Amino acid sequence: QVQMKETGPGLVQRTQTLSVTCTVSGFSLASYGVHWVRQAPGKGLEWMGVIWGDGNTNYNSGLRSRLIISRDTSKSQVFLIMNSLQTDDTAVYHCAIGSFWYVMDAWGQGASVTVSS
Amino acid sequence: DIQMTQSPVSLSASLEEIVTVTCKASQDIDTYLSWYQQKPGKSPQLLIYDATNLAAGVPSRFSGSRSGTQYSLEISRPQVDDSGIYYCLQSYSTPWTFGGGTRLE
Repeated sequence: QVQMKETGPGLVQRTQTLSVTCTVSGFSLASYGVHWVRQAPGKGLEWMGVIWGDGNTNYNSGLRSRLIISRDTSKSQVFLIMNSLQTDDTAVYHCAIGSFWYVMDAWGQGASVTVSS
Repeated sequence: DIQMTQSPVSLSASLEEIVTVTCKASQDIDTYLSWYQQKPGKSPQLLIYDATNLAAGVPSRFSGSRSGTQYSLEISRPQVDDSGIYYCLQSYSTPWTFGGGTRLE
């Protein structure tokens, strides 16, 4: 059974660096791409980026300069690291995978992150 | 980046009608279009993939269609439980992009 759980700091200071971890079970990170999607309060979904099974990454154009997605396959963990945080980075951060590479049909519950000024 | 223009922003429906949500892509995305439903405080759930295929466990009152670069999600005789926000997503090329969402009441 596929399971995914995000853990994050909850509260981060403006200009600091955010680190969120997605811990997965029920599948191998070498076989599936893991996506990050965020949702600011009252706003829509924003695709942030993906780390594919082969380890390659793709990023949202607007976040590419301050975002890194990495993983530790031995620990079944994927990491989202984003620097230079601003208050509009306040959001729920989700990780997700898909049975097919072009969809997302399994999502974590999300980690709520507030950026404080 | 491919832009996905979703409409309407919101709509309310009665239980006897057919509800239609539309997404228009800024360029050809073939059938790499999926639809998601999100309920308050919950993670999104996949409804439709490949523009027209129903995801596992999704009621048959949901359907998807395509006409060129315009994609539609239809809900026949929506139920109260169908209330939520619906999003389209293009996965034809990175960066993937979502539509702005449609709130259904």
